[in-house]
Amino acid sequence: DAGVIQSPRHEVTEMGQEVTLRCKPISGHNSLFWYRQTMMRGLELLIYFNNNVPIDDSGMPEDRFSAKMPNASFSTLKIQPSEPRDSAVYFCASSVGRWSPGELFFGEGSRLTVL
Amino acid sequence: TQLLEQSPQFLSIQEGENLTVYCNSSSVFSSLQWYRQEPGEGPVLLVTVVTGGEVKKLKRLTFQFGDARKDSSLHITAAQPGDTGLYLCAGTLDDKIIFGKGTRLHILP
Repeated sequence: DAGVIQSPRHEVTEMGQEVTLRCKPISGHNSLFWYRQTMMRGLELLIYFNNNVPIDDSGMPEDRFSAKMPNASFSTLKIQPSEPRDSAVYFCASSVGRWSPGELFFGEGSRLTVL
Repeated sequence: TQLLEQSPQFLSIQEGENLTVYCNSSSVFSSLQWYRQEPGEGPVLLVTVVTGGEVKKLKRLTFQFGDARKDSSLHITAAQPGDTGLYLCAGTLDDKIIFGKGTRLHILP
């Protein structure tokens, strides 16, 4: 079975450029989460969706960050414009449903470097 | 403020030794999970504990959920080099899954 698929695995960009990260959750999973991981702050929840609807985006750092889930099999996280402090590994995770939280299946992450 | 505090942050021990790592909070969680993460990969779920006082065993790993559902511990017996990795605890709070910063464990052969 395919797990959570993220792309790109690595992205190097210059400050001010737009970055789009993509995620395909596990088929049949109804909840999707975006996390950011850094050494200093660990894994931070940015936003999560249930049945394609954003439930809580209070972790999104600022207006430069936006996330969409147009259908059950695809989500994007966009940063525009990007800044060096956005450098981190961004993880997408999915779970079966809102009422079985905690059992997350993670992708391999997208490592973003903003110069 | 970190909702889930993990200790120690780093631990390096010899193969064959026993160890315990901790996950503490002032909040009550409806469930708590332990994950292990290896370099270049996403975290992988090890166990979920739900009931206060619950103990679960996974081969040489023993997980305990505190009676008040605010804390948890992970005990590894006879550690092996394959146990090396970042161990993360995560708590479910109001439908959100919050992670601690993790304990980075290194088992020396």
